[in-house]
Amino acid sequence: DTGVSQNPRHKITKRGQNVTFRCDPISEHNRLYWYRQTLGQGPEFLTYFQNEAQLEKSRLLSDRFSAERPKGSFSTLEIQRTEQGDSAMYLCASSSWTAVDEQFFGPGTRLTVL
Amino acid sequence: AQTVTQSQPEMSVQEAETVTLSCTYDTSESDYYLFWYKQPPSRQMILVIRQEAYKQQNATENRFSVNFQKAAKSFSLKISDSQLGDAAMYFCAYRSDNQGAQKLVFGQGTRLTINP
Repeated sequence: DTGVSQNPRHKITKRGQNVTFRCDPISEHNRLYWYRQTLGQGPEFLTYFQNEAQLEKSRLLSDRFSAERPKGSFSTLEIQRTEQGDSAMYLCASSSWTAVDEQFFGPGTRLTVL
Repeated sequence: AQTVTQSQPEMSVQEAETVTLSCTYDTSESDYYLFWYKQPPSRQMILVIRQEAYKQQNATENRFSVNFQKAAKSFSLKISDSQLGDAAMYFCAYRSDNQGAQKLVFGQGTRLTINP
């Protein structure tokens, strides 16, 4: 396992369309995180899973956003009715259950909403 | 809510010189972790160094070291013998020690340029 992978790497869509991103964490990691990073800013937390349970959601995660991790392995992040303000890099990270669990980040999915 | 502030949007240093990146944070918690992450251009974020708040000794990782001042809520990163490969965005991040709060809170980042 070479690390966290995300697909697609780039997505261009028109306003109002739905998009779905996938994240495959490091295989032995039971924690998975989604962050959003806009240009020139630090990542902002969106949501966090421990196994298949979604334990925390940010207020940034409006009702147009939904995330799943059905079998405690890969995760999907869906954005419905995309808006231009959704344009950003969407980062996934994973970690194992240890006292100081380092979060390993994927390369991100860059979303552009036209 | 915790906040992290990086007041230097950009820094530059000559190759082989030393540079210090600043970070301050605000929290009411006593137990937490602090991190510096590096994000090279078009590449994924990687952990540079971490500090547990209960440890008084400053963390070091080869050419990277931190100056952790808990009372002042300051956490700076020193890079010694700067190399061209150190050029990147650097993010300071905070994480609570609360098992129910696993998210990282990031600063705005500092873009580091290494001049040959």
